[in-house]
Amino acid sequence: DADVTQTPRNRITKTGKRIMLECSQTKGHDRMYWYRQDPGLGLRLIYYSFDVKDINKGEISDGYSVSRQAQAKFSLSLESAIPNQTALYFCATSDDRQGGYTDTQYFGPGTRLTVL
Amino acid sequence: DQQVKQNSPSLSVQEGRISILNCDYTNSMFDYFLWYKKYPAEGPTFLISISSIKDKNEDGRFTVFLNKSAKHLSLHIVPSQPGDSAVYFCAASAKAAGNKLTFGGGTRVLVKP
Repeated sequence: DADVTQTPRNRITKTGKRIMLECSQTKGHDRMYWYRQDPGLGLRLIYYSFDVKDINKGEISDGYSVSRQAQAKFSLSLESAIPNQTALYFCATSDDRQGGYTDTQYFGPGTRLTVL
Repeated sequence: DQQVKQNSPSLSVQEGRISILNCDYTNSMFDYFLWYKKYPAEGPTFLISISSIKDKNEDGRFTVFLNKSAKHLSLHIVPSQPGDSAVYFCAASAKAAGNKLTFGGGTRVLVKP
């Protein structure tokens, strides 16, 4: 069973539509992240949450919002999708109890989003 | 401006030979570096890491070298196997900045039988 799951895996939508991508984890980790991957640019951080009451903007948060419904759930919303939000989106989790060094992040399988 | 760069978008190597992947960074605050491997239709998976207090870390066929003065790290895979064909991402973080990861653009490795 996958520890980090994302739904949907693929989505095609139209400009202006509201879209929600969901992430669930069974790893018991406090920290969760949303990234987008674009060719040649690697993964860029959109939002992150270090616990249920904590939400932080990442490198490219404009046009996105998030909700941390529970320790295990972190959803990403595009309020009004636009074509340049077409990308591969990844959720990740990490455990903040790894001795002070960077937490290893564990990624979900990704959601491929196409905005027409 | 990308703080972590992988200047080779692709690499082709013969099975059994060495694969060398390179990564350069500009932020001198980075103190921890990681390599992730990604297969198609899957999320990235952690491969190996190194802290800035070391210059080498080895795990089986994978070795990461860090040259802090040059702000450069490399991943060596010896010997390369067809199952190593994937996209490899270099990532860096700074404890002072909350340990968030900054990723390079990735290098696609093809290991030919």
